[in-house]
Formats: sequence, C-alpha cells, structure tokens
Amino acid sequence: AQSVTQLGSHVSVSEGALVLLRCNYSSSVPPYLFWYVQYPNQGLQLLLKYTSAATLVKGINDFEAEFKKSETSFHLTKPSAHMSDAAEYFCAVGVNTGFQKLVFGTGTRLLVSP
Amino acid sequence: GAVVSQHPSWVICKSGTSVKIECRSLDFQATTMFWYRQFPKQSLMLMATSNEGSKATYEQGVEKDKFLINHASLTLSTLTVTSAHPEDSSFYICSARGTGGLNEQYFGPGTRLTVT
Repeated sequence: AQSVTQLGSHVSVSEGALVLLRCNYSSSVPPYLFWYVQYPNQGLQLLLKYTSAATLVKGINDFEAEFKKSETSFHLTKPSAHMSDAAEYFCAVGVNTGFQKLVFGTGTRLLVSP
Repeated sequence: GAVVSQHPSWVICKSGTSVKIECRSLDFQATTMFWYRQFPKQSLMLMATSNEGSKATYEQGVEKDKFLINHASLTLSTLTVTSAHPEDSSFYICSARGTGGLNEQYFGPGTRLTVT
C-alpha cells in the first residue's frame, strides 16, 4: 500500500532562510506525489506535483521538490522563506484505484520568525 | 479556473440533528468528488469517494448510514451527517476531480462543524 511519511511535525526557520520539508514515500508502483499547503481554517492549495516527468518539479511561490527514487524521497524546498509561508504543509501520494485517491502524510507546520 | 466551493463554511448544530454540507465545482464538471475529515492539528482522512450518479465508496471504518453522500450532478455533491454527536465535530473538506487537464483534486475551503 502506498504511504508517505513526513519527518518533523514542526519546522522553524528565520525569514530569508532556506526551507526544507521532508517527505518519504512508499509505493510499489511509480508514484504520483503532491505537496499541498493549508492556511488556518482553509482548504488545501496545490503547491506542486510529480507525475513521472521531470524529477525536479517547480511549483508556485518559488517552492520546488525533487523526486529521488533511490531515496524514495520528495522533499520540498524554498530558497528564502517569507513570513507568509507560515502554514501547514502536506505531502501526499496518489493511489490509483480507478479514482486516484490521495493518501496524506501527517503534515509539517512551518514557522517563520522575523 | 478549477474552483471548488463549500457551504456552509461553518455550522453549529445540536446533538441528534442532521446537517448537510454542499460541495460545488464552480467552473468545471467533477466526475469524482472526495470527502475528507480533519481533526485539529491532524492530517486529512478520506471518508468516501463519489462518482456522479452512482453510490459512494466509503473508506473502512466510516459509517455509511451516518455520513450520507449524494453526488446527483457533475457539479454538486452533498454530505449529510445524520444524528450528529459531539464527536462528529470536525473540519470537513471536499475535493473535486475533473477530466482531461483537470484530472487532479481541487479542494474546497472546508466546513467547520460543531455539534453541541
């Protein structure tokens, strides 16, 4: 069964610092991988997705993620954190049951300090 | 494009009553809609998947008689929480998946349900 593991429930960075949020996946088939962001009391917004094309995926707001099959990882990075990046981030893997369900990780809360 | 709305955004109901939550795809046709539940500071748990015109597929452990899902059209799905209890209080989020270039899930803003 497909699953994702997000290491670190909280990550704290200073404004302007590199953001690194970790995600490892488990999948018996080539995975579809996603990163979503959730602001308080809101739904999820797609940041980026990997669908077996380029291994380095660029998303919105300067976020990017690199698919590394050898490490079964899909870590999310951003070169310079902004205060507005403070939110909850979820990694997800697509499970193709005909409907392509999403299985979410437990989430990582990004805290950005001035 | 690919906007999903939910109504209401928050609702308070008394224990024992039923409450209906609507999920609409505003600018595309959603062949599949998904309903998730999110407890405070936790991840999203898929409750059920619905395809237009057919019965919903519920995840293991989700009571289908308690959480009634109807997907009557390509732009509307409803979740009815029947005989609600305080433990049903949660954040309910829907997503909709279209076809072609819109074959990923687009999420609604969520509905906060509080049962008193």
